[in-house]
Amino acid sequence: KNEVEQSPQNLTAQEGEFITINCSYSVGISALHWLQQHPGGGIVSLFMLSSGKKKHGRLIATINIQEKHSSLHITASHPRDSAVYICAAQGQVQGAQKLVFGQGTRLTINP
Amino acid sequence: NAGVTQTPKFRILKIGQSMTLQCTQDMNHNYMYWYRQDPGMGLKLIYYSVGAGITDKGEVPNGYNVSRSTTEDFPLRLELAAPSQTSVYFCASSYSRALSTGELFFGEGSRLTVL
Repeated sequence: KNEVEQSPQNLTAQEGEFITINCSYSVGISALHWLQQHPGGGIVSLFMLSSGKKKHGRLIATINIQEKHSSLHITASHPRDSAVYICAAQGQVQGAQKLVFGQGTRLTINP
Repeated sequence: NAGVTQTPKFRILKIGQSMTLQCTQDMNHNYMYWYRQDPGMGLKLIYYSVGAGITDKGEVPNGYNVSRSTTEDFPLRLELAAPSQTSVYFCASSYSRALSTGELFFGEGSRLTVL
């Protein structure tokens, strides 16, 4: 079993739909990252959170530390949101911060 | 700021050749990382560095070497290229401490093919 599991692996939706991507982790963490990888391959950081909720534009990330679960929501989805979304759990190993990545969720938003 | 710069973006190697992937960041980040991404798989850590002069192995270090002589640069060396090293490589950096972490910044990736 992977230490970080994402669901679904693939998601196709129509423009305007509300999107939820889930991330469950089994390791103790100091932070949880959400990343976006565009079709061109580049990776950008969307959120880094250790508790509660963060919002940036149409994107919302939440985390429940007790349940070891995080969600990424996209409101009013748009075709430009089509990308692979990756969660990564950051924990401390031997005094250094290390990340464990999920396999990613491929999101396709159709016009 | 340029952020994290990786070169080259694409490279084809023959089995047994050597090469170095360059990575430079201009954000004065202490942590730097090298990851590889294989199709359908999550990013795997090859090596990381918590500061100049300090490097350590990640999950998949075999066949690679790194050095960190300055805060800015973290090159990844492939000594004897093998087909199993065909992958997309990402360099990343962050400012992190033992009990807290900063946002990750990634380079654009380097697609390496070993034939």
